[in-house]
Amino acid sequence: ILNVEQSPQSLHVQEGDSTNFTCSFPSSNFYALHWYRWETAKSPEALFVMTLNGDEKKKGRISATLNTKEGYSYLYIKGSQPEDSATYLCAFVTNYGGSQGNLIFGKGTKLSVKP
Amino acid sequence: DAMVIQNPRYQVTQFGKPVTLSCSQTLNHNVMYWYQQKSSQAPKLLFHYYDKDFNNEADTPDNFQSRRPNTSFCFLDIRSPGLGDAAMYLCATSREGQFNIQYFGAGTRLSVL
Repeated sequence: ILNVEQSPQSLHVQEGDSTNFTCSFPSSNFYALHWYRWETAKSPEALFVMTLNGDEKKKGRISATLNTKEGYSYLYIKGSQPEDSATYLCAFVTNYGGSQGNLIFGKGTKLSVKP
Repeated sequence: DAMVIQNPRYQVTQFGKPVTLSCSQTLNHNVMYWYQQKSSQAPKLLFHYYDKDFNNEADTPDNFQSRRPNTSFCFLDIRSPGLGDAAMYLCATSREGQFNIQYFGAGTRLSVL
């Protein structure tokens, strides 16, 4: 059974704090790693799709890194704002004979940013 | 504008009473997915359609069925809901390539009384 672990489960920070969370995934049969942001009452939205070991992606104050050899990805938020409050999901995409498999999600990290 | 729309947003049903959740998309994507997410758990894939081909996950209960009458619409039917089926149900779409990036609806939260 393929397992994707995210930590911490929840995080409460003050506005302006920088924060980071972790996604651990199997180090074999890697195809891609996705990060999604899911705000309450909205649709989960893709933040990053990461495919290569050593990938670093950035979108505004949010960035992510990928280590496929050891099976982890970090998501960083610099200077958190209340609008960053959301659940951040990572999803591992398996490699089935060179083709993409389905997404295997972690439980998410719920971030609350207090003004 | 919403590209993947789920209706209703909230659904209350009685134990054993069949219920249907719907999903529509304007993206013209060929793959559609249904996920179940129970409280504090990871979203779990129930099944997906690759065009008209239906793919059931091995551990999806027989109680759950799906229909995809055309590219735009997909339905999740729960034949006899139990208390354990109360969850958030997410619909998503994707197209070939793009490393399986998925586009989600806002979900339907199902309560079973």
